[in-house]
Amino acid sequence: GENVEQHPSTLSVQEGDSAVIKCTYSDSASNYFPWYKQELGKGPQLIIDIRSNVGEKKDQRIAVTLNKTAKHFSLHITETQPEDSAVYFCAASIGGGADGLTFGKGTHLIIQP
Amino acid sequence: GAVVSQHPSWVICKSGTSVKIECRSLDFQATTMFWYRQFPKQSLMLMATSNEGSKATYEQGVEKDKFLINHASLTLSTLTVTSAHPEDSSFYICSAEGGSGVETQYFGPGTRLLVL
Repeated sequence: GENVEQHPSTLSVQEGDSAVIKCTYSDSASNYFPWYKQELGKGPQLIIDIRSNVGEKKDQRIAVTLNKTAKHFSLHITETQPEDSAVYFCAASIGGGADGLTFGKGTHLIIQP
Repeated sequence: GAVVSQHPSWVICKSGTSVKIECRSLDFQATTMFWYRQFPKQSLMLMATSNEGSKATYEQGVEKDKFLINHASLTLSTLTVTSAHPEDSSFYICSAEGGSGVETQYFGPGTRLLVL
């Protein structure tokens, strides 16, 4: 089955700086890669997703890049703010969102004021 | 749009009892719903996939007789933890596929289960 590796497990950045979280996946058939933000005690919130026919996608301060050849994808957050502090999960699936997601282990992002 | 709710948000029960958790898509019809489990400071693990009107598909290692899933309509799926034991204590989260995005999963707020 699919295996998703996520790094780093903890990331501390100064407010206003950029944060980058990286994930790799094992199954070349995977074609859908969402990113979720989870705050303590809450369910994951979709922040951005990308499909395998696209190399990069941007939404305001958040961007995701995908390298299918290398089987890795990254989340980029620019101009970080205190409210960006949370746990971020990457995920992958073969059947798009209609298939179960395999999640990475998560990255605890800490924004230092 | 694309709101998913869960009920209850938390539940405490005695060992040996059964607990039912509801997952509803409030403003869209969900073709497929998923159930995940998350232990403290760990990632989400897919337990099962359910489609309206058909039997759920369980992931390897998940006991289908212990975790009963019913997907009665396009907006409601239920997870029943039968004969709960302390090791079943966890954060259970559902997701629903559909809504405004194409094949996008939207997650509920989760249900925290504590079995004494």
